[in-house]
Amino acid sequence: GAVVSQHPSRVICKSGTSVKIECRSLDFQATTMFWYRQFPKKSLMLMATSNEGSKATYEQGVEKDKFLINHASLTLSTLTVTSAHPEDSSFYICSARDRAGGPTDTQYFGPGTRLTVL
Amino acid sequence: GENVEQHPSTLSVQEGDSAVIKCTYSDSASNYFPWYKQELGKRPQLIIDIRSNVGEKKDQRIAVTLNKTAKHFSLHITETQPEDSAVYFCAASNGNQFYFGTGTSLTVIP
Repeated sequence: GAVVSQHPSRVICKSGTSVKIECRSLDFQATTMFWYRQFPKKSLMLMATSNEGSKATYEQGVEKDKFLINHASLTLSTLTVTSAHPEDSSFYICSARDRAGGPTDTQYFGPGTRLTVL
Repeated sequence: GENVEQHPSTLSVQEGDSAVIKCTYSDSASNYFPWYKQELGKRPQLIIDIRSNVGEKKDQRIAVTLNKTAKHFSLHITETQPEDSAVYFCAASNGNQFYFGTGTSLTVIP
């Protein structure tokens, strides 16, 4: 089946630094990748939709200058949390939609990245 | 935008009993409704989905029903087992973005 990886799985950083999270589709090409944020025992909150070769579409209330998203290829999207602060600590999950074959709406999730900002 | 509501937020059932989780959505353009199971600290896994041209779909112990007119859909798990314990999320999609429900924490008591 379709596999999506995320790196790193866990990161701890100091306040004010930037952190980059990678999301890769390993065995399929993803025209669209999604970035979600999840608080403990809470639902997945869509942050942005990333299409290969174009600018990401951010959800209302998500700062595009703080959460930089790049989707440079059909298998890689990155989320950079700039000038991170403790309130940015969260579980970030990406998902990817398969470009070819199968139900076009099916999303495959990465394992998530636990970000802790000290 | 789309608004997906999910109930109940927590659900406890005895092993062998059935569990039902309900979701409503607001956007009539939504046409795809997946259900995900998420175990603690892990990624959401798709367990079943339904499209708007179908009213019901079943896969072994899991079934999903959809009422387009009322804009609600439900997940049914029969003969529950302890390994069914997890958080379940419904979602609605119009083919572009996905919007998730708030989740239901299901506990199956042995």
